[in-house]
Amino acid sequence: GIQVEQSPPDLILQEGANSTLRCNFSDSVNNLQWFHQNPWGQLINLFYIPSGTKQNGRLSATTVATERYSLLYISSSQTTDSGVYFCAVNNAGGTSYGKLTFGQGTILTVHP
Amino acid sequence: EAGVAQSPRYKIIEKRQSVAFWCNPISGHATLYWYQQILGQGPKLLIQFQNNGVVDDSQLPKDRFSAERLKGVDSTLKIQPAKLEDSAVYLCASSWRQGLSGNTIYFGEGSWLTVV
Repeated sequence: GIQVEQSPPDLILQEGANSTLRCNFSDSVNNLQWFHQNPWGQLINLFYIPSGTKQNGRLSATTVATERYSLLYISSSQTTDSGVYFCAVNNAGGTSYGKLTFGQGTILTVHP
Repeated sequence: EAGVAQSPRYKIIEKRQSVAFWCNPISGHATLYWYQQILGQGPKLLIQFQNNGVVDDSQLPKDRFSAERLKGVDSTLKIQPAKLEDSAVYLCASSWRQGLSGNTIYFGEGSWLTVV
């Protein structure tokens, strides 16, 4: 099956700093989503971005599908940005039926 | 618009007991997923329904796990008998349709299971 690798595994920032999270995937995709998992366990959709660039406030994401990677940018980080960020993809080929395969996540801690 | 609803939110059971989790997807969503997330890992798909039919249950431990989606709306995931390694968060998700562009998947808050 498709492999998804996220880096870095852990990231510690001071409030106000910028960061970049990376997601590499091993095959072509027709769905790529970035999620933020809050302390209560819920996965919050950040972006649906199988290709191109999107921005939402302090967050933006870019997926270069031909090179099989996606980047999530967080600018002017706040303590509320802390949590786990997951990249998840759906393999465009095969028999994945639309299911998402998740990476291992990046644990972000933002200190005041 | 209401999101994906799950219950119970938390459950503690002894090993070898049984437990059931319930999910109500977003209205109109044909595809429903159950994921298992063990602490420190990303979620893993257990089973996927399209309406009330199963399209992928390849990672469901069928000797102890079962799931159904009667009438193509609500779904129930059951574990019987539970093992210690089943301690995890069980996440339900739904999407409008499967395998196509623009198919954003939305997750519920999850059901936390602790097996002691």
